[in-house]
Amino acid sequence: DSGVTQTPKHLITATGQRVTLRCSPRSGDLSVYWYQQSLDQGLQFLIQYYNGEERAKGNILERFSAQQFPDLHSELNLSSLELGDSALYFCASSPTKTGGQSEQFFGPGTRLTVL
Amino acid sequence: GENVEQHPSTLSVQEGDSAVIKCTYSDSASNYFPWYKQELGKRPQLIIDIRSNVGEKKDQRIAVTLNKTAKHFSLHITETQPEDSAVYFCAASIPPDTDKLIFGTGTRLQVFP
Repeated sequence: DSGVTQTPKHLITATGQRVTLRCSPRSGDLSVYWYQQSLDQGLQFLIQYYNGEERAKGNILERFSAQQFPDLHSELNLSSLELGDSALYFCASSPTKTGGQSEQFFGPGTRLTVL
Repeated sequence: GENVEQHPSTLSVQEGDSAVIKCTYSDSASNYFPWYKQELGKRPQLIIDIRSNVGEKKDQRIAVTLNKTAKHFSLHITETQPEDSAVYFCAASIPPDTDKLIFGTGTRLQVFP
């Protein structure tokens, strides 16, 4: 158990809908990262928040948005869902601002299925 | 843009043999190179990492080497065991302003008893 929690574990929805994925980082970690992992694909970095502020952006679609709240939990919002958005979404956390210099601890992931 | 290439995509070895996975990165500013192991249906977990001021690092049966000039780094697993079977991802960081990890596409390692 990495200490990072994600809810829900599974999510099944229809095209055009909107969903919210939730992540709670390890106690004390200020950075939260979101990744998308499609079937048999690698991990695509979406976005990073540090202490409530957006820190870095990857290939995140405009239909996707995220935020980090004062208690440091983060939410990833996916809207106007398409079949291709079906994937495993991971959240990771690290203690520092510079995530590349310290280990990122991954949560168990949320499996999103868009029908 | 930033890119990390990883080879091979699949690797099958006999128990006890060695396995080598290679990655090449594009941004010479990268200075942190972690390796993650992801077992089927589970989260990625860090197994070893190396920073750009070090050429080699070893942890029991696992070692990582880094060649900054050639911009490539490799994971070496010796005396492989069936429990080493998993997908392995390399990654490279791009500081200082974009604190993100760029991951390779993964290598599926199968160790046969």
